Amino acid sequence: RKEVEQDPGPFNVPEGATVAFNCTYSNSASQSFFWYRQDCRKEPKLLMSVYSSGNEDGRFTAQLNRASQYISLLIRDSKLSDSATYLCVAMKTSYDKVIFGPGTSLSVIP
Amino acid sequence: GAVVSQHPSRVICKSGTSVKIECRSLDFQATTMFWYRQFPKQSLMLMATSNEGSKATYEQGVEKDKFLINHASLTLSTLTVTSAHPEDSSFYICSASPGINQPQHFGDGTRLSIL
Repeated sequence: RKEVEQDPGPFNVPEGATVAFNCTYSNSASQSFFWYRQDCRKEPKLLMSVYSSGNEDGRFTAQLNRASQYISLLIRDSKLSDSATYLCVAMKTSYDKVIFGPGTSLSVIP
Repeated sequence: GAVVSQHPSRVICKSGTSVKIECRSLDFQATTMFWYRQFPKQSLMLMATSNEGSKATYEQGVEKDKFLINHASLTLSTLTVTSAHPEDSSFYICSASPGINQPQHFGDGTRLSIL
């Protein structure tokens, strides 16, 4: 079973829409969770950490469900600049190797 | 915030050349760094874990004699693609974390093109 699984999409949404991505992880011992975004032909950039109680950063909300082993990312009021691939990460510690899934591709359309 | 620098950002060279890529953690020490490769429209694939002061750990299917990794200091890991061929053309990215439970930060990546 893969370490993380995501719907690769693509998700094509109009500007201003709300879009949600889910990610399931296989290792129940995972302690640290993150969302990254990767633009075409660029390196992944950290979008936000995911905390047990859920956390929000502007238009972005991340949530963790340990019982079901999934994390989610909600993007409100989508902007054209949100178009990217979103990668979730679940790790036991930051020194563990990170196995990325394919990510979820988002295209925000005018 | 934590910064990881990678150099060079772009390499174009002839088949058979060996290419060295450097990954530096600029404001923190990293006993472990990771090297990834990404082909167009594909996922980031972990190649190896670089361990300061000891041998790198390679993922299955990655040739250690082809991709030499040296992690001689707490702020520098190098990946050398030896005798590179066109099929080695790819986007190579390194990452490191500033501390336990801290996220990985990525270098800008190196786009390698072998002619």
